[in-house]
Amino acid sequence: DAKTTQPPSMDCAEGRAANLPCNHSTISGNEYVYWYRQIHSQGPQYIIHGLKNNETNEMASLIITEDRKSSTLILPHATLRDTAVYYCIVRVGSGGGADGLTFGKGTHLIIQP
Amino acid sequence: NAGVMQNPRHLVRRRGQEARLRCSPMKGHSHVYWYRQLPEEGLKFMVYLQKENIIDESGMPKERFSAEFPKEGPSILRIQQVVRGDSAAYFCASSPLGGGGRAKNIQYFGAGTRLSVL
Repeated sequence: DAKTTQPPSMDCAEGRAANLPCNHSTISGNEYVYWYRQIHSQGPQYIIHGLKNNETNEMASLIITEDRKSSTLILPHATLRDTAVYYCIVRVGSGGGADGLTFGKGTHLIIQP
Repeated sequence: NAGVMQNPRHLVRRRGQEARLRCSPMKGHSHVYWYRQLPEEGLKFMVYLQKENIIDESGMPKERFSAEFPKEGPSILRIQQVVRGDSAAYFCASSPLGGGGRAKNIQYFGAGTRLSVL
């Protein structure tokens, strides 16, 4: 799986959009970008994933650059409950590679009231 | 549709005892993964199982740790002769059986079992 780089921590004001960047310059053509988060003391939670097109669901939006070397997770209206460690993971998606996830250090997002 | 169920949520063992952690995957899921999170550290993959088969155990310590996912019943992570260094949160995840579709490789996690070794 390709390596990812994320800032160790970020702050965001409650109600604002939180934009979490991730660099994955060695991503391969068949690798997807997955985002998970872990709220303190809980199990990781799947957020969203994508290959090359931008994706949106009820939780977040994922913007992937055209060269696929980086992406941004957007939480449109952050709340205090969004305070968590966010992990960007690159791995082979549908069609193969159902192996374990490699979690890096992630970004500790702190939502300020 | 119930999520991934892990039990017990908290487990206390004395050094040298055995710890058994159980994981029931989501309904319809036949892939199970175990991860360990040591205090103040990140999540580390341990083992990947399908029904009655270990697919990838590259993250499992070579001694004292074993895992199974029988045809019937939950997946079990077993730690023999526990030591203080085994104290950690152990998370189980499950994902759907293959067959294509975007949901194929999404892993859904349980709440974890916190093991404390005295």
